[in-house]
Amino acid sequence: ETGVTQSPTHLIKTRGQQVTLRCSSQSGHNTVSWYQQALGQGPQFIFQYYREEENGRGNFPPRFSGLQFPNYSSELNVNALELDDSALYLCASSPDSMNTEAFFGQGTRLTVV
Amino acid sequence: SQKIEQNSEALNIQEGKTATLTCNYTNYSPAYLQWYRQDPGRGPVFLLLIRENEKEKRKERLKVTFDTTLKQSLFHITASQPADSATYLCALGRNAGNMLTFGGGTRLMVKP
Repeated sequence: ETGVTQSPTHLIKTRGQQVTLRCSSQSGHNTVSWYQQALGQGPQFIFQYYREEENGRGNFPPRFSGLQFPNYSSELNVNALELDDSALYLCASSPDSMNTEAFFGQGTRLTVV
Repeated sequence: SQKIEQNSEALNIQEGKTATLTCNYTNYSPAYLQWYRQDPGRGPVFLLLIRENEKEKRKERLKVTFDTTLKQSLFHITASQPADSATYLCALGRNAGNMLTFGGGTRLMVKP
């Protein structure tokens, strides 16, 4: 186990709704990244937070937003859900924002109907 | 645009043989490359990291090579076991933050 926990593990939402996913990073890790993984594909980078500031962003629309808290836990918010948002959402924490391994949580499976 | 390609077809091998997985990339200059293992319904698990100035890295039964001229990494599992059956992902990153670009993954099936 990596020590990174995500909640909830599964979620079903209706198109147009909003969702908040949560991530507790491993102790001592100040960097959290979020990824979206569609079925049968590799994870796609959404954004990264370092010490409560957004540190980088992938090719995702503004309706994907996030927060990092002083204890380095993090939230991913998605507004105006679309069917294509159905995916496994992965949170990964790292000891710092440089080129070290990423410790992934088990993911949140989001289904939009 | 950046592209990272891994064999999309599953790789089936016999127990005890060496599995070799390929990761090719274009339009990218990575500072490092990582390999992850992912089991169904689980998050990826880190295996190895190799930097752009390194040619080869080993860890127990695992070996990774990195050729920045060919823009290719090879990932080897020697003496493969059924427990090695999983999807293997390669991921590239730059020095400006640990923001990874993943390939699509290759599913490995090791038969007893």
